[in-house]
Amino acid sequence: KAGVTQTPRYLIKTRGQQVTLSCSPISGHRSVSWYQQTPGQGLQFLFEYFSETQRNKGNFPGRFSGRQFSNSRSEMNVSTLELGDSALYLCASSFRTSPSYEQYFGPGTRLTVT
Amino acid sequence: DQQVKQNSPSLSVQEGRISILNCDYTNSMFDYFLWYKKYPAEGPTFLISISSIKDKNEDGRFTVFLNKSAKHLSLHIVPSQPGDSAVYFCAAMNYGGSQGNLIFGKGTKLSVKP
Repeated sequence: KAGVTQTPRYLIKTRGQQVTLSCSPISGHRSVSWYQQTPGQGLQFLFEYFSETQRNKGNFPGRFSGRQFSNSRSEMNVSTLELGDSALYLCASSFRTSPSYEQYFGPGTRLTVT
Repeated sequence: DQQVKQNSPSLSVQEGRISILNCDYTNSMFDYFLWYKKYPAEGPTFLISISSIKDKNEDGRFTVFLNKSAKHLSLHIVPSQPGDSAVYFCAAMNYGGSQGNLIFGKGTKLSVKP
């Protein structure tokens, strides 16, 4: 079974631009979560989508948004990029039903903002 | 305020010996706990999980112990192998409250020496 895929793997943008990252979950998984990893803050939860609806949201500004499509694929958008947005963005998918609460991560998208 | 803490940033163990990685949490609402392993430039790989109704879960060389009264869990790797060298993250979630997002610790870097 194919794992979680994320595109692109690497991205360089300049301040003020916007960016869209894509995530394809494991087949059959309906939940997709997004996380930001930085050296200082570690792994922090951005938001979760389940059946095209945002179910949970972390403590990030409104510049960070996402959506999920009917095939469970998800996109994350960051508008008006700031230098501090440079990070590894990870997507994770899950069945989100008992007893399988485990989330499986993709390889991440490394975003560099200059 | 860190809800999940891994107080040892690094751990060095000899090949064949036991590795014990520790994790403490503060939120008594957490009801599901997971361990992930991460190599540089890759997403976290799910290792093992435990529900709050259990105190031990075993999978091959990996065993997770949960002490709810102490709000403490640990991951034992026996025997340790050089390929186990990676950063290990402890994560927790409050699934019963439908907050399915993972809260991560900062990670412990394990080095297994041949």
